[in-house]
Amino acid sequence: GAVVSQHPSRVICKSGTSVKIECRSLDFQATTMFWYRQFPKKSLMLMATSNEGSKATYEQGVEKDKFLINHASLTLSTLTVTSAHPEDSSFYICSAPTGGGGDTQYFGPGTRLTVL
Amino acid sequence: GEDVEQSLFLSVREGDSSVINCTYTDSSSTYLYWYKQEPGAGLQLLTYIFSNMDMKQDQRLTVLLNKKDKHLSLRIADTQTGDSAIYFCAESIRSSYKLIFGSGTRLLVRP
Repeated sequence: GAVVSQHPSRVICKSGTSVKIECRSLDFQATTMFWYRQFPKKSLMLMATSNEGSKATYEQGVEKDKFLINHASLTLSTLTVTSAHPEDSSFYICSAPTGGGGDTQYFGPGTRLTVL
Repeated sequence: GEDVEQSLFLSVREGDSSVINCTYTDSSSTYLYWYKQEPGAGLQLLTYIFSNMDMKQDQRLTVLLNKKDKHLSLRIADTQTGDSAIYFCAESIRSSYKLIFGSGTRLLVRP
């Protein structure tokens, strides 16, 4: 089946630094990818839609200058958390629609970010 | 706005059936999904149902959709300890790939 990977799986950084998270579709091309954030024991909240070759579309309340998204190729989207603070600590998950039947999309394994 | 609600917790005995319920608000959703998340892991798509269907069965999983009441359920037959996880229902937003997730139901299967 379709596979979406994320790297790194876990990252710990100091407050004020920037962290880049990669999302790759391994065996299919994805013109669109989605970034979600999950707080502990909470649901997933859609942050933004990453569009290959154009600007990302952010959901209401998500700071675009804080969470930079780049979708440079049909298989890679990156989320950069800039000037990270402890409140940015969370589980970040990406997803990519396969464009196949059922409108299914596959989720990456997630990246746990801890900001000290 | 769109909203998806689930009960937070369900505990069943191994071998029994589990039924996880979900209500949603967007009547234009084309697909409704069930995902499973194990501790510290990403989401695993379990099954999905097209909005013009009432029921879908896939091995131990049965999805029931009541479109009039905007109610979705997932039944797991012969529940096993390996089924212990958090189950999320999700609806597609205005028939796009964007998903609105419920809060998740934590299923605990007792031996």
